[in-house]
Amino acid sequence: DGGITQSPKYLFRKEGQNVTLSCEQNLNHDAMYWYRQDPGQGLRLIYYSQIVNDFQKGDIAEGYSVSREKKESFPLTVTSAQKNPTAFYLCASSILQMNTEAFFGQGTRLTVV
Amino acid sequence: QQQVKQSPQSLIVQKGGISIINCAYENTAFDYFPWYQQFPGKGPALLIAIRPDVSEKKEGRFTISFNKSAKQFSLHIMDSQPGDSATYFCAASGGVGGSQGNLIFGKGTKLSVKP
Repeated sequence: DGGITQSPKYLFRKEGQNVTLSCEQNLNHDAMYWYRQDPGQGLRLIYYSQIVNDFQKGDIAEGYSVSREKKESFPLTVTSAQKNPTAFYLCASSILQMNTEAFFGQGTRLTVV
Repeated sequence: QQQVKQSPQSLIVQKGGISIINCAYENTAFDYFPWYQQFPGKGPALLIAIRPDVSEKKEGRFTISFNKSAKQFSLHIMDSQPGDSATYFCAASGGVGGSQGNLIFGKGTKLSVKP
């Protein structure tokens, strides 16, 4: 089945640790995105990538980093510089621009312990 | 100018009733207006979308009404069912290249349909 796979579903991080969230898609989409979701805040864009080896900051990129070494993969690292990392993280992909359907993964819930 | 404002924040509707969620935008370059449905613990999924060349689009019980002059669009859910209970997000995007194609989301509406 085609789709987007995020892993893990739940992730716990200690203060000061970096953690990496995985996102893989087999839809042959060029564009991939990372969103953060907090209660009552909607979805806020962290980073996006429209082509391999290139990515751009979204609205809330501070404390996060990404890579796009393969078309299918767009991992997100939450660094220790992110002061409030507890949130639900969503990965998405689309053909190129998001004025076509965007497909979302099932999300990763990150909790700082 | 990049914001999409969504209301209400929460909505309770009786089974069989009509649910209405409204969104407003400022950026006249937006040319794609989707609605996403999200169940708890899941990722959002596209429900229905409209482009500004039409004023209404209907898919089953779901209808988008679009008012270009007022820069507003709304989602109507007819004959609402308990299974429709979810969070709904409106969004908008527009233009080609760079960040213009990225979706801007409203803050969401939590819909509860009572049996």
